[in-house]
Amino acid sequence: ETGVTQSPTHLIKTRGQQVTLRCSSQSGHNTVSWYQQALGQGPQFIFQYYREEENGRGNFPPRFSGLQFPNYSSELNVNALELDDSALYLCASSTTSGGHEQYFGPGTRLTVT
Amino acid sequence: RKEVEQDPGPFNVPEGATVAFNCTYSNSASQSFFWYRQDCRKEPKLLMSVYSSGNEDGRFTAQLNRASQYISLLIRDSKLSDSATYLCVVNSGYSTLTFGKGTMLLVSP
Repeated sequence: ETGVTQSPTHLIKTRGQQVTLRCSSQSGHNTVSWYQQALGQGPQFIFQYYREEENGRGNFPPRFSGLQFPNYSSELNVNALELDDSALYLCASSTTSGGHEQYFGPGTRLTVT
Repeated sequence: RKEVEQDPGPFNVPEGATVAFNCTYSNSASQSFFWYRQDCRKEPKLLMSVYSSGNEDGRFTAQLNRASQYISLLIRDSKLSDSATYLCVVNSGYSTLTFGKGTMLLVSP
């Protein structure tokens, strides 16, 4: 069984740029959720995708957007990067939508300078 | 009141000790509860789901008190490998999992 994978592992961007992060869900999982984890904080929910549609969203501005593909993989796009966007971005997959058990990938560490 | 609150610790305990963590949540409509552990600079890993009847997995016991809106995690016979941050997680919307900031546990020889 393949676990959740994310790419890239690390990324350095400049303020104002755009970034795309990628996630492949665990085999058998059809739902992907994205989280932002700042240093010393717990992960914060960004949004969830199920059946290629956004299925719930946390308190993040519209410049955070996403996609889910027919194979259940997902992308997180962030436009107009700000310094405060520097964080660990985590993708989690689950067997169905909603607030069920979720399994995390290793994350992408984004640094905005 | 924050949605999910935990004592940040750190809890420093010797090997073999029993340690308990508590967590309170504000949304009385929450239906799902979990404990995750997170090692330094790694992803959170699901430790256990928490059920109304309480549940046990080896040295770990989780309890849920809906009336008081708190969740607990008990670790018996602590091992060095238990050193990590323990995250209390509550679903606070249909698809939203809300994480606490975590409680750090340090187990020493």
